[in-house]
Amino acid sequence: QKEVEQDPGPLSVPEGAIVSLNCTYSNSAFQYFMWYRQYSRKGPELLMYTYSSGNKEDGRFTAQVDKSSKYISLFIRDSQPSDSATYLCAMKRERGSNYKLTFGKGTLLTVNP
Amino acid sequence: GAGVSQTPSNKVTEKGKYVELRCDPISGHTALYWYRQSLGQGPEFLIYFQGTGAADDSGLPNDRFFAVRPEGSVSTLKIQRTERGDSAVYLCASSSPGQQTYNEQFFGPGTRLTVL
Repeated sequence: QKEVEQDPGPLSVPEGAIVSLNCTYSNSAFQYFMWYRQYSRKGPELLMYTYSSGNKEDGRFTAQVDKSSKYISLFIRDSQPSDSATYLCAMKRERGSNYKLTFGKGTLLTVNP
Repeated sequence: GAGVSQTPSNKVTEKGKYVELRCDPISGHTALYWYRQSLGQGPEFLIYFQGTGAADDSGLPNDRFFAVRPEGSVSTLKIQRTERGDSAVYLCASSSPGQQTYNEQFFGPGTRLTVL
């Protein structure tokens, strides 16, 4: 079993829809939870990160972490065609090998105009 | 300012050949990372440099892979006797140590390696 599981999709939604992306993980040592966006043939870029449990909001994006369930989510409101990309969840420890990001497979999202 | 750059952007080679992939990190970033992203997968950690030294090379798949960072800036990932299974996008990232508890890793565009 992989440390981080993410449904690869693909996910196709109409413009304006609310998108829900999620990951589960097995390593309870993970304390930082990130969402990266990766456009085709580009490197990942950080969207948001959350430390430990809780919610974080940034514009149309909301990240949620539920450590008791080992489950994280990213919600995108009022989705736009420019949001079409692969979304990767990533996690890392706070101590020890705290430089190493562990990624999910990524979910390919298409927002149709 | 300039981000992380990687050269070449694409590399096609034949099985058994030697390749070098280059990474130029963001100026002033002392930490540098290499990841490998196979088709349909997320990036997987290969190696981490702090300054000139490899602090953790536990992700390198075998001894055909080697990476250097002789002056603490540019890094080169070297792959000997390439195999078809080495085909992937090789991503480089860098970060600044700073005093903050979270240090964002900034990724380059990657080098797409194809081994025929």
